[in-house]
Amino acid sequence: GENVEQHPSTLSVQEGDSAVIKCTYSDSASNYFPWYKQELGKGPQLIIDIRSNVGEKKDQRIAVTLNKTAKHFSLHITETQPEDSAVYFCAANSGGYQKVTFGTGTKLQVIP
Amino acid sequence: EAEVAQSPRYKITEKSQAVAFWCDPISGHATLYWYRQILGQGPELLVQFQDESVVDDSQLPKDRFSAERLKGVDSTLKIQPAELGDSAMYLCASSTRTSLNTGELFFGEGSRLTVL
Repeated sequence: GENVEQHPSTLSVQEGDSAVIKCTYSDSASNYFPWYKQELGKGPQLIIDIRSNVGEKKDQRIAVTLNKTAKHFSLHITETQPEDSAVYFCAANSGGYQKVTFGTGTKLQVIP
Repeated sequence: EAEVAQSPRYKITEKSQAVAFWCDPISGHATLYWYRQILGQGPELLVQFQDESVVDDSQLPKDRFSAERLKGVDSTLKIQPAELGDSAMYLCASSTRTSLNTGELFFGEGSRLTVL
């Protein structure tokens, strides 16, 4: 089955700096890569996603890049704000019923 | 805005007892998922339903866990007997995804289980 690795596990940045989270996946058949943000006491919420036929996607301060050859994808957050502090999960989608496999998470702390 | 409803939010039980969690997905979402999230880790899929049918339960410990979605709407996840290692957050998610298309998972706020 699919295996998704994510790093770093924790990340502290100063407000206004950029943050980068990286993930690798194992199943070359995976075709959809969402990123979820989980705030304390809540369920994960989708913030951005990218499909395998696209190399990069941007939504305001958030961008995601995908390298299919190397089987890795990254989340970039620019001009970080305190409200960006949360746990971020990458995920990969594969299989006949579109199973979603999550990474282990990155706890991002934005220091005011 | 439509939400995925889960109950109870918190459950404390003793080992060997039975426990059940309930999930009501967003109306019209055919796909329903139960994930287990151990503290500090990512969600792990336990079971995936397409309407009332189970399409993936490969990671469900079937000797103690069961899940049903009888009418293809709400769902129940049961653990009997509970073990100490079952302490975790149990997340329900729903989606309009099918075997042919991908899409967003909408998560509930989860049910946090503590087994003493």
